Amino acid sequence: GAVVSQHPSWVICKSGTSVKIECRSLDFQATTMFWYRQFPKQSLMLMATSNEGSKATYEQGVEKDKFLINHASLTLSTLTVTSAHPEDSSFYICSASWAGNPYEQYFGPGTRLTVT
Amino acid sequence: TQLLEQSPQFLSIQEGENLTVYCNSSSVFSSLQWYRQEPGEGPVLLVTVVTGGEVKKLKRLTFQFGDARKDSSLHITAAQPGDTGLYLCAGPPPGGGTSYGKLTFGQGTILTVHP
Repeated sequence: GAVVSQHPSWVICKSGTSVKIECRSLDFQATTMFWYRQFPKQSLMLMATSNEGSKATYEQGVEKDKFLINHASLTLSTLTVTSAHPEDSSFYICSASWAGNPYEQYFGPGTRLTVT
Repeated sequence: TQLLEQSPQFLSIQEGENLTVYCNSSSVFSSLQWYRQEPGEGPVLLVTVVTGGEVKKLKRLTFQFGDARKDSSLHITAAQPGDTGLYLCAGPPPGGGTSYGKLTFGQGTILTVHP
C-alpha cells in the first residue's frame, strides 16, 4: 500500500518552455502533497506544501509564479515549471500523506528535469 | 541552521562490516523517521520511532530513538552491496504551527558497500 507515482520519470525541455510534472497517490487519498527538489548527493529541499482544494504554501525563496502547483483532487497534484531555464534542471520529488498520519510521507520515484 | 545533523555524511565500507549512522538534534522531536534512497529514485520509508528509548529492528537494520527524543541511530549489521544508498533521517519540526505535516530532513548519509 501507500504507492505514489510520478510522471514523467524524466524530461528534457528547451529553455523558455514550460513543463508539467504529475504526482498521483495510487491507493490512498492524499490530503497533503509535498514537492521537493534534490541536487546530486544532497538531501531533499522542500519547495511547497499543497492541500487538496487549497492554494499551495511555498517555502521561503521559492518563486510561486515559476513553480505552479495545483492539487485538484485527493489523488493528484501537479507541478508546472514555467519558462524553464538550465538552472531549473534538477531531480523533483513529490510525496503524499493522509489525514490519519500526516507526518508519514510516501514518496514518488522522482522526475529528472533537464533544461537545455 | 540544520535541525537534524547526520553523521557521517559519507561512509564507504566493505561487505560484511557493521556501521552506525547518527542523527542528532538539540531539539526534542515527537518522532523520527529513517528513509533510504537509491540513485534516481524517491526515498523509501524504513521506520518511524516514536517513544524515547525505542528500538526497532528490520532484518539487519536496528533503529534506536534516544531517551530524550533528541537523537536517533541506524545500525547495519553485516552490510551488503544492496544496502548502498542515501540514508535520511527526518522528523516533524518541533513547534508545529505552520509546519503541520512537514518534515525536516537531515543532510543525509551516503553509504557505499563494496563487494
